[in-house]
Amino acid sequence: SYDLTQPPSVSVSPGQTASITCSGDKLGDKYVSWYQQRPGQSPVLVIYQDTNRPSGIPERFSGSNSGNTATLTISETQAMDEADFYCQAWDSTTVVFGGGTKLTVL
Amino acid sequence: EVQLVESGGGLVKPGGSLRLSCAASGFTFTTYSMNWVRQAPGKGLQWVSSISNTGDYIYYADSVKGRFTISRAQTSLYLQMNTLRAEDTAVYYCARRPYDSSGAPFDFWGQGTLVTVSS
Repeated sequence: SYDLTQPPSVSVSPGQTASITCSGDKLGDKYVSWYQQRPGQSPVLVIYQDTNRPSGIPERFSGSNSGNTATLTISETQAMDEADFYCQAWDSTTVVFGGGTKLTVL
Repeated sequence: EVQLVESGGGLVKPGGSLRLSCAASGFTFTTYSMNWVRQAPGKGLQWVSSISNTGDYIYYADSVKGRFTISRAQTSLYLQMNTLRAEDTAVYYCARRPYDSSGAPFDFWGQGTLVTVSS
């Protein structure tokens, strides 16, 4: 089975840049999406097809994907960005999610 | 306004059955692939099953294959869950995808319904 690996936690100071990684074998050959889940809420799509932002998602959110690693970058991080973030890709006909990263804004 | 409203969750004994529903509104249901994704308490997201917009293509996670059945009709999505196990305990989310290729994301999620499997 295909696995996506994320760091369990990332901390960032307000106004700084946070980077959350997602690793998988030849992940750069697949499309990656990213979801934000605030406590007690449903996931929200923040990046799709590696680099695209849905309407309504701030420009502070950006994505990249190359080699074995995809990265979600949040610039000028705000307290409201504190949440769990999940990467997601398809492996053949199976959907795979990363284990999730808790972003803490200190 | 796009809405996905799940229902049917509850407490069920191991080995029991439950049928989840997801009522869709605010978009053209027949043009979207529909999916179930679950989240065990305090854990991450786990994909369960997908059904194409026409219903012709259906996929399941290995952990539920042979026990769960996904279906769709009119503007609703369903998940028939049989032979339930304790490890099926989770919030079950309904989520849509705008098309069936591997690049299509889950672009909208419902609020979820909690399934608890316990004696």
